[in-house]
Amino acid sequence: DGGITQSPKYLFRKEGQNVTLSCEQNLNHDAMYWYRQDPGQGLRLIYYSQIVNDFQKGDIAEGYSVSREKKESFPLTVTSAQKNPTAFYLCASSAERYQPQHFGDGTRLSIL
Amino acid sequence: KQEVTQIPAALSVPEGENLVLNCSFTDSAIYNLQWFRQDPGKGLTSLLLIQSSQREQTSGRLNASLDKSSGRSTLYIAASQPGDSATYLCAVYDGGGGNKLTFGTGTQLKVEL
Repeated sequence: DGGITQSPKYLFRKEGQNVTLSCEQNLNHDAMYWYRQDPGQGLRLIYYSQIVNDFQKGDIAEGYSVSREKKESFPLTVTSAQKNPTAFYLCASSAERYQPQHFGDGTRLSIL
Repeated sequence: KQEVTQIPAALSVPEGENLVLNCSFTDSAIYNLQWFRQDPGKGLTSLLLIQSSQREQTSGRLNASLDKSSGRSTLYIAASQPGDSATYLCAVYDGGGGNKLTFGTGTQLKVEL
């Protein structure tokens, strides 16, 4: 079955630690996205990539980094510079610009 | 800056009732609008996408309408069922050349037996 796989489902970060969230898709989509969801707020865009080896900052990129070395993969690193990382992180992909976005099941990140 | 608002924030209805969820957006220069469903602790499932040139889209018991000039969309759910209980989110693609979805905060729906 085609889809988006995010791992791990739950992740805990210690103070000063960088952690990486995985996102893999087998839909052959060109575009991939990372969103952050906080209670009572809509999803906010962290980074997006429309093609391999290219990515752009979204609305809340500070404290995060990404790479897009393969079409199927778009990992997100939450760095120690992100002072409030506790949230639900969602990865999405779309065939191309303006096409429907398909979402993974998310990773919940908490601080130890 | 585009802002998307969904009212009400929460809604509880008895099974079988028809209901309407509302979404409004401040900048009418959108490319399209998408409705999603989110179950607790899960990702989003796309329900309907309406292009800016369209007035409505239908899928089964769901009907979404779009009035770009007034900055409004509605999601109509017919004959609601307990399995429809979830949070419903609307999101707009800005027509400004980027590929950015701006989301509302959602309506949490509970359909009771």
